[in-house]
Amino acid sequence: DAGVTQSPTHLIKTRGQQVTLRCSPKSGHDTVSWYQQALGQGPQFIFQYYEEEERQRGNFPDRFSGHQFPNYSSELNVNALLLGDSALYLCASSLEGGQFFGPGTRLTVL
Amino acid sequence: LAKTTQPISMDSYEGQEVNITCSHNNIATNDYITWYQQFPSQGPRFIIQGYKTKVTNEVASLFIPADRKSSTLSLPRVSLSDTAVYYCLVVPRMDSSYKLIFGSGTRLLVRP
Repeated sequence: DAGVTQSPTHLIKTRGQQVTLRCSPKSGHDTVSWYQQALGQGPQFIFQYYEEEERQRGNFPDRFSGHQFPNYSSELNVNALLLGDSALYLCASSLEGGQFFGPGTRLTVL
Repeated sequence: LAKTTQPISMDSYEGQEVNITCSHNNIATNDYITWYQQFPSQGPRFIIQGYKTKVTNEVASLFIPADRKSSTLSLPRVSLSDTAVYYCLVVPRMDSSYKLIFGSGTRLLVRP
């Protein structure tokens, strides 16, 4: 059973561009959460998807949006990229209880 | 939301026991204490979770006093591969919708 997978592994963009990150949850998990982790900091909650809808959201601007598909996989979209969006983006899936994290996507904004 | 406080960093040597203490003065009755481990450029990995007294698994032990206002993660006989950041969180155990709130964690460096 594959765990949580994310793609791509690394990504380089320039300011103003848009990016889409993808996440496949652990088999059977129906809830997907996204976190942003800046260098040297702990992960910060962006939002969570359940039944294809955003269930709750952290303190992130509307430039950050997402989607969940019927197969529970999810996408994170960031528009109008800023230098400060450079970070490791983590996806975590859960069913009942503990959240399991993927390896993350390293986004660098130049 | 409960907030946790833990040391910023710790140093140890191979073979030693490492104890990382976490304070969570405002922990709620239904909250569990949960520890994650994170290696560079990887996602956090669940280590151990407990509610009270002592919990032990193949990786670590977790000691929780009766008042539950603090807890101690104990790593027996650490190796170089235990060098990582360790996060202490308090979470409602069976609530999959809970947004995890991470602090800055404890950076553990294990030296040869």
